[in-house]
Amino acid sequence: KAGVTQTPRYLIKTRGQQVTLSCSPISGHRSVSWYQQTPGQGLQFLFEYFSETQRNKGNFPGRFSGRQFSNSRSEMNVSTLELGDSALYLCASSFGGIQVSSYEQYFGPGTRLTVT
Amino acid sequence: DQQVKQNSPSLSVQEGRISILNCDYTNSMFDYFLWYKKYPAEGPTFLISISSIKDKNEDGRFTVFLNKSAKHLSLHIVPSQPGDSAVYFCAAVNSGGSNYKLTFGKGTLLTVNP
Repeated sequence: KAGVTQTPRYLIKTRGQQVTLSCSPISGHRSVSWYQQTPGQGLQFLFEYFSETQRNKGNFPGRFSGRQFSNSRSEMNVSTLELGDSALYLCASSFGGIQVSSYEQYFGPGTRLTVT
Repeated sequence: DQQVKQNSPSLSVQEGRISILNCDYTNSMFDYFLWYKKYPAEGPTFLISISSIKDKNEDGRFTVFLNKSAKHLSLHIVPSQPGDSAVYFCAAVNSGGSNYKLTFGKGTLLTVNP
């Protein structure tokens, strides 16, 4: 079974630009979560989508947004990029149901975003 | 406010010995806990989980212990192998209500020396 894929793997952008990151979950998984990882901060939760609906949102500004398509693929958009947005952005998928095993999330390799 | 804490940023052990990674949490609503391992340039990989109705879960060389009264869990790796060298993240979730968010600790870098 193919794992979670993320594109692109690396990205360099300039302050003020916007960026769109893509995530394809494991087949059959309907939940997609996004995390930001920076040195010293661990994994910070951005948002989670299930069946095209945002179910949870972390404490990030409105410049960070996302969406999920009918095939469960998800995109994350960051507008008006700031230097502090430089990070590894990780996508994770899971079944997303009510069973506790649904909380076992499977991560993609991440997109390394550098803002200059 | 960090609800999941891994107070040891790094840990070094000898091959063949036991590695013990610790995690503390403050939110008493957390009832499901997970451990992930992360190699450089890769996403975290799910290792093992435990529900709050248990105090121990074992999978091969990996065992997780949960002490609910102390709000503490630990991951034991026995015997440790050089390939176990990675960053280990502890995560917690409140499975009640409509919260599907995992809260992660900042990670512990484990180095297993040959």
